[in-house]
Amino acid sequence: DTAVSQTPKYLVTQMGNDKSIKCEQNLGHDTMYWYKQDSKKFLKIMFSYNNKELIINETVPNRFSPKSPDKAHLNLHINSLELGDSAVYFCASSQDLRPYGYTFGSGTRLTVV
Amino acid sequence: DQQVKQNSPSLSVQEGRISILNCDYTNSMFDYFLWYKKYPAEGPTFLISISSIKDKNEDGRFTVFLNKSAKHLSLHIVPSQPGDSAVYFCAASGSNSGYALNFGKGTSLLVTP
Repeated sequence: DTAVSQTPKYLVTQMGNDKSIKCEQNLGHDTMYWYKQDSKKFLKIMFSYNNKELIINETVPNRFSPKSPDKAHLNLHINSLELGDSAVYFCASSQDLRPYGYTFGSGTRLTVV
Repeated sequence: DQQVKQNSPSLSVQEGRISILNCDYTNSMFDYFLWYKKYPAEGPTFLISISSIKDKNEDGRFTVFLNKSAKHLSLHIVPSQPGDSAVYFCAASGSNSGYALNFGKGTSLLVTP
């Protein structure tokens, strides 16, 4: 029983395509996040949602759009993919907005060719 | 602007010895600090944390020290075990950043038998 599960684990796609990464948590947490780990290994926050409400929206191109149909799911849609979008994307959840007890998914490695 | 820095990209320690991983931060508004451990192809897993009102927190073989005046924290692992070999990320959080985690670049620890 994976606590935070992301699909797919690997995604290879061409420039210009639109793709989605799905995330689900079964921990009953109220807050979910998307983090991006780039080629320099920096892990940076992209978005956070609390009870389906957008809380954090960092400086991310508007080609990236998070969607939270319910508090157990936070999906990431990316339009018009670019080479620079290649990275590992991690979904995470926490009980509430405080940083205690983040649980991360295993990541989705996106490669844009 | 990298607010959390881990200046040692790698560290090699013999089994049984102490491992010391260091982290510096620049934002004085951070009030909660965490260490995460990451194995390849997995998401980061929470290891230990410390609030800014404390200067030390211990959990088994792991101890985190916080020096607020120097804006420095360290993770001590005693005794080190081969299974501790992983990438360790330092993270910091504060209410002024919506409690998002600001990560360092990570230190790759190798514990040799």
